[in-house]
Amino acid sequence: GESVGLHLPTLSVQEGDNSIINCAYSNSASDYFIWYKQESGKGPQFIIDIRSNMDKRQGQRVTVLLNKTVKHLSLQIAATQPGDSAVYFCAENDDKIIFGKGTRLHILP
Amino acid sequence: SQTIHQWPATLVQPVGSPLSLECTVEGTSNPNLYWYRQAAGRGLQLLFYSVGIGQISSEVPQNLSASRPQDRQFILSSKKLLLSDSGFYLCAWSAGQGSEQYFGPGTRLTVT
Repeated sequence: GESVGLHLPTLSVQEGDNSIINCAYSNSASDYFIWYKQESGKGPQFIIDIRSNMDKRQGQRVTVLLNKTVKHLSLQIAATQPGDSAVYFCAENDDKIIFGKGTRLHILP
Repeated sequence: SQTIHQWPATLVQPVGSPLSLECTVEGTSNPNLYWYRQAAGRGLQLLFYSVGIGQISSEVPQNLSASRPQDRQFILSSKKLLLSDSGFYLCAWSAGQGSEQYFGPGTRLTVT
């Protein structure tokens, strides 16, 4: 089975608010984590990654937090926009990339 | 820059018919290549990966097979399709094991 899971299958957020998508992983040896965004009918696209020697990494409107103590990963999207509506996957690397099941982000007007 | 192509974009095939999906990568050499299947509303299931020409690793027992006849070409095949083979098939490449993967646009397969 998959070793990377997500706490919520669906998340609804008001437009303009911040979104937080959570992910738990089980392999403490994993040293590389990635967040992907998949829009309907398209392949996943890389959003941001983080290595295990970091606990925070920021991109444009996105921040990934890594808590190795509890094996938890989160993706924060600032000022959520309609274009952020998609399924978000976390993935961990332990010799090969393992994907979680995904969280669908709904943006409320 | 690197690009990844998949075709066809959509395919409707009857049960028992053969299948051939193609994936090609441009702009890189000796990539790792991957085939994933995604059922509706579900996550990604890794089917096959390849670290070089003629080298295929299968992740799950199934009705499908993969081949890599050239460095940047990855083919997913079946001799006889099942209804359960329906799904969204994604090809991906990476520069190395465990590196970030880049996905193609996908092929939506419907087996009727």
